[in-house]
Amino acid sequence: RKEVEQDPGPFNVPEGATVAFNCTYSNSASQSFFWYRQDCRKEPKLLMSVYSSGNEDGRFTAQLNRASQYISLLIRDSKLSDSATYLCVVNRVYGGATNKLIFGTGTLLAVQP
Amino acid sequence: DGGITQSPKYLFRKEGQNVTLSCEQNLNHDAMYWYRQDPGQGLRLIYYSQIVNDFQKGDIAEGYSVSREKKESFPLTVTSAQKNPTAFYLCASSAGLETQYFGPGTRLLVL
Repeated sequence: RKEVEQDPGPFNVPEGATVAFNCTYSNSASQSFFWYRQDCRKEPKLLMSVYSSGNEDGRFTAQLNRASQYISLLIRDSKLSDSATYLCVVNRVYGGATNKLIFGTGTLLAVQP
Repeated sequence: DGGITQSPKYLFRKEGQNVTLSCEQNLNHDAMYWYRQDPGQGLRLIYYSQIVNDFQKGDIAEGYSVSREKKESFPLTVTSAQKNPTAFYLCASSAGLETQYFGPGTRLLVL
């Protein structure tokens, strides 16, 4: 079983739609959680961190359920520019001073005009 | 402007050849990382370095080597022992346990 699992998609949605991505992680020692966005043939860029209490940044809302080891990302009022691959990322600490990111394979979102 | 730079953007390797990918950062980050991305797979950690003159193997270190002689630089050498080197290579850095930020990547292709 992969340590971080995501639905690969693609999710094809019309502009203005609300779309939700889900992610599960297997290691209960995981400490920090993120969503990164990766455009085609580009590097991943941090979209937002995910906090236990849930957090929102404009049209984006992230939720974490530690008991179920589940992370979600909700995008409201989708824009064409939201089209990208969304990577679920889990951070584990090694040796007290090094963080290791574990990446999901990503979910592809295509917003249609 | 602060950031991470990688060069070259594209690199071609011949059979049996060693090639070196450059990664430089001016963010004053202590930690640096090398990842490999293949289609349909998540990023996989090759090597990482917490401080100058120290580095550790990641999950897929075989066929790769690194050095960390300066805080700003963390070059990756893809050796002839790496039998499937075609991939997108990404360098990242972080301030200790903080968020990792990525460079623009290098695409390595085998001739």
